[in-house]
Amino acid sequence: AQKITQTQPGMFVQEKEAVTLDCTYDTSDQSYGLFWYKQPSSGEMIFLIYQGSYDEQNATEGRYSLNFQKARKSANLVISASQLGDSAMYFCAMREGVNAGNMLTFGGGTRLMVKP
Amino acid sequence: ETGVTQTPRHLVMGMTNKKSLKCEQHLGHNAMYWYKQSAKKPLELMFVYSLEERVENNSVPSRFSPECPNSSHLFLHLHTLQPEDSALYLCASSQDSHPGRGPRNYGYTFGSGTRLTVV
Repeated sequence: AQKITQTQPGMFVQEKEAVTLDCTYDTSDQSYGLFWYKQPSSGEMIFLIYQGSYDEQNATEGRYSLNFQKARKSANLVISASQLGDSAMYFCAMREGVNAGNMLTFGGGTRLMVKP
Repeated sequence: ETGVTQTPRHLVMGMTNKKSLKCEQHLGHNAMYWYKQSAKKPLELMFVYSLEERVENNSVPSRFSPECPNSSHLFLHLHTLQPEDSALYLCASSQDSHPGRGPRNYGYTFGSGTRLTVV
């Protein structure tokens, strides 16, 4: 079964507007971490934001925030005030433990395109 | 230098060639990974090394051969590749916890990747 699901293959957003990228996950563990990465056309995977399963508050990093709804098993990424440089692939990922045997599992990604 | 460095950035090789991809991390991490990213496919984990020992090999063909001589360096040796092996190869590292301790953030740090084309 798919552990991380990103249902939006591609999205457009107008520059300066906010956008939400969806991510749902599947795990029976109580302890896990959720991550979002950005991959521009250059190929590098850039870490954006992290949410631990025990964190009571939603994570925020500058213009990025994570809308964490544990009961619904969703971890949506919100980008405020979109910029042209935000155009990229965005990957949601989950890790269910901290040992090397607990790998980071990625979703299929969402391609975000910011319109001027 | 900081972060995870991959060389070369681009590589074109024939099916009979032998080449190696190199990954170096300057973060003091103790685990390293190779991922393959093909067009229109999810990221595929290929190899995992923890404390320089291979932990996982996700049924990768033997024409891909990893080597981890120390905790800072990871290689992927390539020989007799096929055109379908053309992809972006990403290296990553992480700091894995021992039982009883846990970093708050145990995500991976990725390199910029090597874009491989097999002709």
